[in-house]
Amino acid sequence: GAGVSQSPRYKVAKRGQDVALRCDPISGHVSLFWYQQALGQGPEFLTYFQNEAQLDKSGLPSDRFFAERPEGSVSTLKIQRTQQEDSAVYLCASSPPDSPNTEAFFGQGTRLTVV
Amino acid sequence: DQQVKQNSPSLSVQEGRISILNCDYTNSMFDYFLWYKKYPAEGPTFLISISSIKDKNEDGRFTVFLNKSAKHLSLHIVPSQPGDSAVYFCAASDLNRDDKIIFGKGTRLHILP
Repeated sequence: GAGVSQSPRYKVAKRGQDVALRCDPISGHVSLFWYQQALGQGPEFLTYFQNEAQLDKSGLPSDRFFAERPEGSVSTLKIQRTQQEDSAVYLCASSPPDSPNTEAFFGQGTRLTVV
Repeated sequence: DQQVKQNSPSLSVQEGRISILNCDYTNSMFDYFLWYKKYPAEGPTFLISISSIKDKNEDGRFTVFLNKSAKHLSLHIVPSQPGDSAVYFCAASDLNRDDKIIFGKGTRLHILP
């Protein structure tokens, strides 16, 4: 596809369940970002990859959150033992290798609801 | 600690008039600034950007102004159109550090008929 693709679009999880959110970036994009957007808030940075290297994970709220991008393309954000406060839209973005390359392209997001 | 601040949660503007969305930042290392637009149930889409070496960038109906000494930027939309109704996010990046983009909380713009 032409854009960033995220799946699933919607996910309902029972508290304590593990979830995995997938992001397919635009082909050829080197940088990949995960953001968390709570209701009425702006996107909050979670983590950042350049190819397969996770260069910054300072925004991950707890050790229950884990992200990977093993082959430098598709990325997965995993949340273990989900809590109600994890309910949010999780946005993935990618940007091309040009510099400056901060015009990141966003996917539609995965709306996670923890019940 | 909010590094990018959008103090107006919402703004209503008459169709055809100018919309001005404001943004303040605290990190003096930011050197690249962006505006994103977001419709419901969609991801943010890039609108316009400005480098810290400039104080103005214009693209059609959209102009971004940067005042580095005040750590303030604004987005002007003129004339405002109904399709401009959306949430607008101000964002900033320190390109000397990495590509990470820091977002404000957004301003919801309503264009009134």
